[in-house]
Amino acid sequence: NAGVTQTPKFRVLKTGQSMTLLCAQDMNHEYMYWYRQDPGMGLRLIHYSVGEGTTAKGEVPDGYNVSRLKKQNFLLGLESAAPSQTSVYFCASSYVGHSSPLHFGNGTRLTVT
Amino acid sequence: KNEVEQSPQNLTAQEGEFITINCSYSVGISALHWLQQHPGGGIVSLFMLSSGKKKHGRLIATINIQEKHSSLHITASHPRDSAVYICAPSPGDTGNQFYFGTGTSLTVIP
Repeated sequence: NAGVTQTPKFRVLKTGQSMTLLCAQDMNHEYMYWYRQDPGMGLRLIHYSVGEGTTAKGEVPDGYNVSRLKKQNFLLGLESAAPSQTSVYFCASSYVGHSSPLHFGNGTRLTVT
Repeated sequence: KNEVEQSPQNLTAQEGEFITINCSYSVGISALHWLQQHPGGGIVSLFMLSSGKKKHGRLIATINIQEKHSSLHITASHPRDSAVYICAPSPGDTGNQFYFGTGTSLTVIP
């Protein structure tokens, strides 16, 4: 099993450009999450999904969109990147939310210039 | 507001020392997770607990629900334990599934 796979690992964007981060999991997990990690701050939830076809906003959703068309994939989109979105992004999944362990991808380091 | 407080923020220990990392939280929870973030950035789940104590190898996690406090202990620390340890209590509702501490950075010196 590959677990949780994130692509790409690194990306540099110019302000205003768009991109999509892909998260794929092969563990048949219902719950998937997108977090951002910034220096001195804990992981912050951007969006999450509790099942195929569902998405919901987290703590810091502005500037991001997500889609979960297939159970195994959770996409995070930036339509018009801003320097404030420079961060490390982590995807995670779990079987039944809070009562099962979180499995993380290796992260995507995004720089917006 | 900060629902999760970890202490210490940074910790340096000699190889072999017994280490304790503390986590206090203000929200009602149904479970609490301890995560380890390696120097390369990857995050792995160490423990999930809702009461009492769990042990895995040299790592022990305890939780006191009434006092809203959890501890992570590392016995006979080793340089490979050097990492950031993150406490993540979960209220168990369907909204924000987890709150995350800012982490404790541990360095174990040979």
